[in-house]
Amino acid sequence: GAGVSQSPSNKVTEKGKDVELRCDPISGHTALYWYRQSLGQGLEFLIYFQGNSAPDKSGLPSDRFSAERTGGSVSTLTIQRTQQEDSAVYLCASSLRQDYNEQFFGPGTRLTVL
Amino acid sequence: DAKTTQPPSMDCAEGRAANLPCNHSTISGNEYVYWYRQIHSQGPQYIIHGLKNNETNEMASLIITEDRKSSTLILPHATLRDTAVYYCIVYNYNQGGKLIFGQGTELSVKP
Repeated sequence: GAGVSQSPSNKVTEKGKDVELRCDPISGHTALYWYRQSLGQGLEFLIYFQGNSAPDKSGLPSDRFSAERTGGSVSTLTIQRTQQEDSAVYLCASSLRQDYNEQFFGPGTRLTVL
Repeated sequence: DAKTTQPPSMDCAEGRAANLPCNHSTISGNEYVYWYRQIHSQGPQYIIHGLKNNETNEMASLIITEDRKSSTLILPHATLRDTAVYYCIVYNYNQGGKLIFGQGTELSVKP
């Protein structure tokens, strides 16, 4: 079946604009994760969902970042009033359930804030 | 912070075994060792995981020392497509799925 998909693959925006990044997990996967990878940096955890709830939002870097998941499937990561330091590749992953930690990653969305 | 230490880079000749070491001296009894890799411009890919026994799958073997303070990922016959950054991750199921990635080892497989 299809893997994790993310859209858009690339997004260029101006500083101060809001952006929405979308993740479609593998069908039947109840756990969904967002990470980001900045140039020259490692992978940084942002948030995870079990079903529609987000038990761990500890990685969100500021209140400009938010995420939601509806219907236990698609998730949207929203960044308000983007800043240049938000430029990164945003990666989404899903797994069968939270305690089954083989995570399947999508190709990522490359965000560039000018 | 990552609980693992890996060499920043390694080279391997095509067709030879690649042995990637990882130190995790502070690992707890209920923590697993996971390995992922990230090929350039792609998302990370799960390879293998283990608790205390050695593990093998179609991609690799994982050797964990008896004291569990270190492990080695073995790619038995490396190919050019195995060139990637390899991440060793110590994972506790109580941390809710959060993977904490370190800097990993950049493996270059050369012809």
